[in-house]
Amino acid sequence: NAGVMQNPRHLVRRRGQEARLRCSPMKGHSHVYWYRQLPEEGLKFMVYLQKENIIDESGMPKERFSAEFPKEGPSILRIQQVVRGDSAAYFCASSPGWGNEQYFGPGTRLTVT
Amino acid sequence: KQEVTQIPAALSVPEGENLVLNCSFTDSAIYNLQWFRQDPGKGLTSLLLIQSSQREQTSGRLNASLDKSSGRSTLYIAASQPGDSATYLCAVDTGANSKLTFGKGITLSVRP
Repeated sequence: NAGVMQNPRHLVRRRGQEARLRCSPMKGHSHVYWYRQLPEEGLKFMVYLQKENIIDESGMPKERFSAEFPKEGPSILRIQQVVRGDSAAYFCASSPGWGNEQYFGPGTRLTVT
Repeated sequence: KQEVTQIPAALSVPEGENLVLNCSFTDSAIYNLQWFRQDPGKGLTSLLLIQSSQREQTSGRLNASLDKSSGRSTLYIAASQPGDSATYLCAVDTGANSKLTFGKGITLSVRP
């Protein structure tokens, strides 16, 4: 059973471009969480999704950020018009249900130049 | 608002020492608590999950305890090895959509 997969592992974008980060949960997991780790800070929750539904996006910046988890395919975290402050490691986690152990992917390290 | 604190931020010990990593949280109404390990530039590896009804969990040389009422958890590492060198993160699930609140981690260095 493959673990949580994220791609790309490293992404470089210029200011103003769009960044798309993909996350494939573990087989059988229908719950996906996105977290962001800024330099010298802890991981912060961004958004929680189930298939085709956003359950909790209380940690997402109100502008430029969006997330989806379609019926088919990976979950996508999209950042429009990136700025230098978006440079961080973005981690995806999946679980089989509410309250269960979360399993993390290797992360996508976004660098905005 | 739940806050998770891990002190100290860094720890260096000689190989073979038994050690305890501390985690404290402000709101005792938690659903569970997880300990993770993160190697530099890597993702998170789940070490132990303790449900709120449990007092401790063990896996190999690792033992995690939970005292909900005092808002504390400890991760005990027996007979430390250089391969244990990593950052150890504590995270609390308050049950509100299972989003985890993380501490900033303790960076452990085990000297040969």
